[in-house]
Amino acid sequence: DGGITQSPKYLFRKEGQNVTLSCEQNLNHDAMYWYRQDPGQGLRLIYYSQIVNDFQKGDIAEGYSVSREKKESFPLTVTSAQKNPTAFYLCASSNDRDSSYGYTFGSGTRLTVV
Amino acid sequence: GEDVEQSLFLSVREGDSSVINCTYTDSSSTYLYWYKQEPGAGLQLLTYIFSNMDMKQDQRLTVLLNKKDKHLSLRIADTQTGDSAIYFCAENNGSASKIIFGSGTRLSIRP
Repeated sequence: DGGITQSPKYLFRKEGQNVTLSCEQNLNHDAMYWYRQDPGQGLRLIYYSQIVNDFQKGDIAEGYSVSREKKESFPLTVTSAQKNPTAFYLCASSNDRDSSYGYTFGSGTRLTVV
Repeated sequence: GEDVEQSLFLSVREGDSSVINCTYTDSSSTYLYWYKQEPGAGLQLLTYIFSNMDMKQDQRLTVLLNKKDKHLSLRIADTQTGDSAIYFCAENNGSASKIIFGSGTRLSIRP
C-alpha cells in the first residue's frame, strides 16, 4: 500500500534536547511539507520541499530544521531553540509542484516536552 | 495576503444535514478542498472542486462554490456519529507552492 508514514506516534523531549521526527512516503511524490497543529487551532506551515536537496521556510520555521536528501524522506528536527515545541506535527506530500490534487497526510507525531 | 476563514464549531442532531461554511480571499484560487481530521489522526482529503464548477456531489457530500462571493460550503446529508471530526477548508491558486488551510470547524453530533 502506498502512503506516508510518520514516526514515532508519540515523542517526549527534555528541555534543551534536539529531537528528529521521521516522515517517509512511497507515493513517488515530489513535494513534502511539515505542519504544526496546536490544540484547537489550524495548521501552520513549518517547512516545505518541492524537490530533493531543496527546501523553503514556511510561516514558523524558527527553531526547526529539515533535510531532503532523498525523495522519499523529509525529516524534521525540533531544536532546543524552539521554545514551545509541544504540539502535534503533521507531514504531508503531494504529487505535483502545484499541489493541484491536494495533499496526502501522515498520521502525525505528538511531541511533548517534559 | 491569502486567508481562509471558517467558524470554529458546529453542532447538529444525528440524521440532520450539516452545513460547514468557508470564505477565502484569494480571487485566483484554482482548487478548493475539504479535509476531515478525526481525533489524533492526520487529515484526510474528502473532496475538492475546481474553480470553474459551482457544485460537486459525492454520495452524502455536496460542495457548493460561489466564486463571486468567495464562499465555499460543505453539506453532509443524514449526519452520523462517525462524521464527528474537524473539517478544514483549503485553497490553492495553482501556481503557489502550498495550500492555505482554514482553522477548521469542529463538528459535533447530538443524539
